[in-house]
Amino acid sequence: DQQVKQNSPSLSVQEGRISILNCDYTNSMFDYFLWYKKYPAEGPTFLISISSIKDKNEDGRFTVFLNKSAKHLSLHIVPSQPGDSAVYFCAAPSFYNQGGKLIFGQGTELSVKP
Amino acid sequence: ETGVTQSPTHLIKTRGQQVTLRCSSQSGHNTVSWYQQALGQGPQFIFQYYREEENGRGNFPPRFSGLQFPNYSSELNVNALELDDSALYLCASSATSGSRETQYFGPGTRLLVL
Repeated sequence: DQQVKQNSPSLSVQEGRISILNCDYTNSMFDYFLWYKKYPAEGPTFLISISSIKDKNEDGRFTVFLNKSAKHLSLHIVPSQPGDSAVYFCAAPSFYNQGGKLIFGQGTELSVKP
Repeated sequence: ETGVTQSPTHLIKTRGQQVTLRCSSQSGHNTVSWYQQALGQGPQFIFQYYREEENGRGNFPPRFSGLQFPNYSSELNVNALELDDSALYLCASSATSGSRETQYFGPGTRLLVL
């Protein structure tokens, strides 16, 4: 039962252009979402989050959009840089309050080409 | 650099053996969570420890067990290893067990079961 889904395993973007990574969820009880970035041989690193009371949160080049009616969120990176090449995971805390259980999507590998 | 370390970085075991993986959390973080990340998948929650007690568990059998110590270190133990246990094991520490608390991940231990 995949409650958080990232249907694009990979994405390739030219440097300077916009990268858009998508995430869908099935559980309408989720009220908080996070994006993590993972480089090879490193653990995931927190990038940005959004509460369900908002539809947008921005942090520098990174913006996350939330569409609750569609149960969809997206991460926009503008402009994309080669250093952004990594695997990106969206995640949501379990609403069963199982401590800090995070439910992750499968990840999207972003490649930013110079 | 999250301040979370894990050892060993890589490990090879044979089916039926037992393994202990170690994690050192950020100082002051009293919560540690463990995740299993299979190839091409997102991390899957195994369990969480808060102040040395289990505080939530995912869909993993009892042969996956853990310990948390007062010095911010913790262990993941897996008995009777199976081939499907081959994965990257991540620990993540957080200041509290709250569901919106940012989790800081270590680099992981890659386990191969032959």
